[in-house]
Amino acid sequence: DSGVTQTPKHLITATGQRVTLRCSPRSGDLSVYWYQQSLDQGLQFLIQYYNGEERAKGNILERFSAQQFPDLHSELNLSSLELGDSALYFCASSVIQGGYTFGSGTRLTVV
Amino acid sequence: QQQVKQSPQSLIVQKGGISIINCAYENTAFDYFPWYQQFPGKGPALLIAIRPDVSEKKEGRFTISFNKSAKQFSLHIMDSQPGDSATYFCAGSGSARQLTFGSGTQLTVLP
Repeated sequence: DSGVTQTPKHLITATGQRVTLRCSPRSGDLSVYWYQQSLDQGLQFLIQYYNGEERAKGNILERFSAQQFPDLHSELNLSSLELGDSALYFCASSVIQGGYTFGSGTRLTVV
Repeated sequence: QQQVKQSPQSLIVQKGGISIINCAYENTAFDYFPWYQQFPGKGPALLIAIRPDVSEKKEGRFTISFNKSAKQFSLHIMDSQPGDSATYFCAGSGSARQLTFGSGTQLTVLP
């Protein structure tokens, strides 16, 4: 167990729907990062939050959004889902200047 | 987002052999170069990392060699074991701490 908890582990939904992925970082970690892993794009950085504030954006679609709450857990919201959004979504957390710890991911399948 | 190029895509090594994976980066602002190991169904796990002021770092059977002038770094796995069979990712990051990953190398160690 890495200490980073992601729920749900698996999610199957239809095109056009909206889903929310949840991440609880390791105790003490203020930074949360979201990554998407797909066969054709590899591991791609989506967005970073630090202590509740957005710090950096990567290749995140406008249909996707995220937030980090006062208790430091984070949610990634994916809307108007398309078949191509099917992927593994990973959350990672870190202390500032430290290495990342990844969660086990949420496997999203859009049908 | 500037790339990190990783090779080979796949690697088969006999037990006890040396596994070598190579990466090249473009972004000279990168100051942290980690290697991650990923098993099926799991998130990437930090294996070893190096900063560019050091040319080599060794942890157990794993060694990173770093060539700043060539903008290249490599992972050497000595005495490779079947349990090392996994996908390995190199990455680079700068002050923003978001990781730019290589495309991954699937390592198979034959018993």
